[in-house]
Amino acid sequence: TQLLEQSPQFLSIQEGENLTVYCNSSSVFSSLQWYRQEPGEGPVLLVTVVTGGEVKKLKRLTFQFGDARKDSSLHITAAQTGDTGLYLCAGARDSSYKLIFGSGTRLLVRP
Amino acid sequence: DTEVTQTPKHLVMGMTNKKSLKCEQHMGHRAMYWYKQKAKKPPELMFVYSYEKLSINESVPSRFSPECPNSSLLNLHLHALQPEDSALYLCASSPRQGAGVGSHSPLHFGNGTRLTVT
Repeated sequence: TQLLEQSPQFLSIQEGENLTVYCNSSSVFSSLQWYRQEPGEGPVLLVTVVTGGEVKKLKRLTFQFGDARKDSSLHITAAQTGDTGLYLCAGARDSSYKLIFGSGTRLLVRP
Repeated sequence: DTEVTQTPKHLVMGMTNKKSLKCEQHMGHRAMYWYKQKAKKPPELMFVYSYEKLSINESVPSRFSPECPNSSLLNLHLHALQPEDSALYLCASSPRQGAGVGSHSPLHFGNGTRLTVT
């Protein structure tokens, strides 16, 4: 059973389109991180969200942490081919020292 | 370029071989991690070292043996592996293990070793 479910699992879009990736759980997390992993490389941290309802922007990427700290979303505006990769959310719970990774969303942006 | 360096990038080994994966970081991080990642799946935690001591072993088979010689180096010794152990092995480091005030210490990953067991 995956503690953090991401949707969609796979997304193929045209360059210039907008998209949203979701990361959902029935558990409360003290913080949530988003990583992007490009083919042949390790994951790279994009952002950490800590406060319920928090919104963070990173250029064309907007991250939101749910009010109840059980879910998060990543919205990309005007996607570019360089956005192609595996997007992973990862949550930390107060009771654990482990970072729990979501199931992942593979994004393909076509030129 | 990643600040966590892993060698080798690719490794092909037979089921009777003994090999080692190496990981190095010079960011002064005191927590280091080994993850296993199968194709199109998220990374799965294997081991965590905190201040050069093993703090988490996620019930990993004994054919995988981690070692942390000092605060900058992390090794994974491999012996008698199975074909199903073929995967991308990722090393990561963080300033400290687990959660500090408010958020989990962010992970810095290497680019991994692509392991094929024949």
